[in-house]
Amino acid sequence: DTAVSQTPKYLVTQMGNDKSIKCEQNLGHDTMYWYKQDSKKFLKIMFSYNNKELIINETVPNRFSPKSPDKAHLNLHINSLELGDSAVYFCASSQWDTQETQYFGPGTRLLVL
Amino acid sequence: AQSVTQLGSHVSVSEGALVLLRCNYSSSVPPYLFWYVQYPNQGLQLLLKYTSAATLVKGINGFEAEFKKSETSFHLTKPSAHMSDAAEYFCAVGLLGGGGNKLTFGTGTQLKVEL
Repeated sequence: DTAVSQTPKYLVTQMGNDKSIKCEQNLGHDTMYWYKQDSKKFLKIMFSYNNKELIINETVPNRFSPKSPDKAHLNLHINSLELGDSAVYFCASSQWDTQETQYFGPGTRLLVL
Repeated sequence: AQSVTQLGSHVSVSEGALVLLRCNYSSSVPPYLFWYVQYPNQGLQLLLKYTSAATLVKGINGFEAEFKKSETSFHLTKPSAHMSDAAEYFCAVGLLGGGGNKLTFGTGTQLKVEL
């Protein structure tokens, strides 16, 4: 069973389009995250949600809007895609405890043309 | 504020040789520290973590790391490299006692294992 899953795995789209990435976890965790990994493999947190409540928002452009319909799901919607949005986006989950391990999904590779 | 520095973006070792990947951290409060591994086109997998218990932490696949507060380091080692260890390795620091589960990652070290 996949612990943290993301769809789609690959996403190729044109500048200006709107796209969504979905994430689901079956670990029973109450906290979920979105990370962005750039072309140099640098990983940076974008958002975190605890029990559907936004906890961390790391100065991400408001074209990015996370939505958590329930504790097991955290989706990422991106409006007006730009070339610089091309990256790998990782979803992760953990229990709400600062020592708890974050479990990562396989990533969504977004290419904006 | 917290940060992580990984010295050496690329490390190359021979199969069977010692692996040493360096990580230094900066944190205003006691940190908790992780090493993650990323294989090509995959997500991150936890190797090991330090959470203020034993300073020598053993992880999966024969890896271990030692927390040294005086040196603000958390270097990753493995006595004998295997071809399957070739991957990208990330050190990360989190806040112990607050901070919203925020992990700050280093820039990664690409490990190459040669025959």
